[in-house]
Amino acid sequence: DQQVKQNSPSLSVQEGRISILNCDYTNSMFDYFLWYKKYPAEGPTFLISISSIKDKNEDGRFTVFLNKSAKHLSLHIVPSQPGDSAVYFCLLTGGGADGLTFGKGTHLIIQP
Amino acid sequence: NAGVTQTPKFQVLKTGQSMTLQCAQDMNHNSMYWYRQDPGMGLRLIYYSASEGTTDKGEVPNGYNVSRLNKREFSLRLESAAPSQTSVYFCASSLVGTQYFGPGTRLTVL
Repeated sequence: DQQVKQNSPSLSVQEGRISILNCDYTNSMFDYFLWYKKYPAEGPTFLISISSIKDKNEDGRFTVFLNKSAKHLSLHIVPSQPGDSAVYFCLLTGGGADGLTFGKGTHLIIQP
Repeated sequence: NAGVTQTPKFQVLKTGQSMTLQCAQDMNHNSMYWYRQDPGMGLRLIYYSASEGTTDKGEVPNGYNVSRLNKREFSLRLESAAPSQTSVYFCASSLVGTQYFGPGTRLTVL
């Protein structure tokens, strides 16, 4: 039973438009939420995070939204750029290392 | 700062062979982790070490052992490799919350 779901395996967005990546979870124990970006043959790179006491965190083109009642996390990238083409993973943590759970990832493709 | 480094980058083993994957971090982080990533799957936690001298099992520990040699280094050992252990292995470290990853080791077991 998956505790964390990224329901879109891939997403295609036109350059300059907004990219929205989603992550849904079932367990209320998660209290810190992170987004990572991964290029082929490289390790994941940290992008942005949010704690459960907030509902929004912004860093440049990247904004993370947390809806605790819906157990829904999203990452907005605006405007999308060609270099944003990568696989994006959400990582949810809570209750120590036992509570570390990655989503399966969404492959974002930015079309010129 | 090199961040998190892993060696080797690639390895091919025959079934039954043993090997150790090395990981080191220079960020003075307390916690270190080993993950594997398989096609269509997220990263799955194999083992972690919350601090020097402690290690704990993650989601998929069978077939692996770990050693937290000191604060900087955390190694992953496959005693008798199996084809099911063909994967990409990532090491990570963290102080609080945010994890920083190494570049990965691509392991193939024939």
